[in-house]
Amino acid sequence: DAKTTQPNSMESNEEEPVHLPCNHSTISGTDYIHWYRQLPSQGPEYVIHGLTSNVNNRMASLAIAEDRKSSTLILHRATLRDAAVYYCILNKAAGNKLTFGGGTRVLVKP
Amino acid sequence: DTEVTQTPKHLVMGMTNKKSLKCEQHMGHRAMYWYKQKAKKPPELMFVYSYEKLSINESVPSRFSPECPNSSLLNLHLHALQPEDSALYLCASSQGRGRGPSNYGYTFGSGTRLTVV
Repeated sequence: DAKTTQPNSMESNEEEPVHLPCNHSTISGTDYIHWYRQLPSQGPEYVIHGLTSNVNNRMASLAIAEDRKSSTLILHRATLRDAAVYYCILNKAAGNKLTFGGGTRVLVKP
Repeated sequence: DTEVTQTPKHLVMGMTNKKSLKCEQHMGHRAMYWYKQKAKKPPELMFVYSYEKLSINESVPSRFSPECPNSSLLNLHLHALQPEDSALYLCASSQGRGRGPSNYGYTFGSGTRLTVV
C-alpha cells in the first residue's frame, strides 16, 4: 500500500489559515486522498477527500498537486476547536481498507 | 441519522471475563470496521465486514471475535484478554463497494475505552 508522510506537528494562530502538507510520492492512479481529524477523546472525523481535482467543503479545502504526489489540506480560519491530529490517508477506489499513518498534531494558539 | 453509536463508552474487565462491544449505524452503510487505538498512536485496523461478511482480518488474535448480525450492527466479543489489550476500540462504517466507481468517507464512532485488569 502507498504511504503518506506528514509533519509531526504544526502551530497556528486563531483565525489564521492553516496549510497541512502531505507527501504521497508512491500514489497509484486508483488511490483517493482522504483527510480525517481526531479531536482529543473522540473518534476520527471525516474532513474531505479527492482524486485529482481540488475539493472544497464546509470544513476545509483540499489542494492536490498536478502529479498527485502531494496534497495540502487548508483550514481557512483556524479556531481553537480545530486543534486535533490530522491524518492524510490513501484509499483505493472501491477500497475498504483505511490505514492510518502518524498524522500531524495541530496546535491553535489564541 | 448520521452517526455510529458505540456502547459501552467505558469498560473494565478482568482477564478471565467475557464481554462484548457493540456498534450500530442506520445510514445504510454496507461496510463496517473495527479499529484499535493505543494512547498517542494512530488507529490500527482489526476487521472489515463488507455486506455482512468478514472480508479482512488483520491477523488479530482469536481472543477478539467479531460478529455482524445484520447490516446495522457490529459486535466485538472479547474473551481472555491481556492487560496490553487495553485501548480505545473504534467502530466505523462506510458505503462500501458496489456503489459505482466513486469513493466514500468513513464515519467513526466515539469508541469504547477498554481497560483489562
